[in-house]
Amino acid sequence: DAKTTQPPSMDCAEGRAANLPCNHSTISGNEYVYWYRQIHSQGPQYIIHGLKNNETNEMASLIITEDRKSSTLILPHATLRDTAVYYCIVRATNTGNQFYFGTGTSLTVIP
Amino acid sequence: DSGVTQTPKHLITATGQRVTLRCSPRSGDLSVYWYQQSLDQGLQFLIQYYNGEERAKGNILERFSAQQFPDLHSELNLSSLELGDSALYFCASSVVISYYEQYFGPGTRLTVT
Repeated sequence: DAKTTQPPSMDCAEGRAANLPCNHSTISGNEYVYWYRQIHSQGPQYIIHGLKNNETNEMASLIITEDRKSSTLILPHATLRDTAVYYCIVRATNTGNQFYFGTGTSLTVIP
Repeated sequence: DSGVTQTPKHLITATGQRVTLRCSPRSGDLSVYWYQQSLDQGLQFLIQYYNGEERAKGNILERFSAQQFPDLHSELNLSSLELGDSALYFCASSVVISYYEQYFGPGTRLTVT
């Protein structure tokens, strides 16, 4: 599975959009981009995933660049409850199975 | 609440001992995954079962073993415990293999003294 690079930490003002970048320059054509988050020692929680098109759900939007070498997770209106570690993961569906979590980005939403 | 349950929530034991962690997946989920999260190693995949059969192994030590029972619950057995085994152990489940969403339980915090 391709490796990802994320900034170790970010701050965001409450009510503003949080934009979390992820670099995955070695991504293969069959690898999806997944985002999970972990709120203070709780189990990680799925946010969103995509292959090459931008995706949106009730939690967030995922913007993938045309060359697929990077992506951005957007939390449109960050709240204090969004303070968490956000993990960007790439995985090929045909390898199935496990996710390899990196070190993630620790997002702090500031009141 | 993800629907995945793990017991016990906390476990304190001594070096050299053996413990069993239990996981009940979400209703209908056939695949179970175990992860270990320690301060210095982050979240590491250990092992995966699907419908009772082992399907993938990650960084699981030989002192650790797991199984998935016919009712789909799973147990992770840790033996000859060392101080370095102190960690949060998460179980996750998904409907099928390689499904995009894994549902994680609340974890078992193991402290080895």
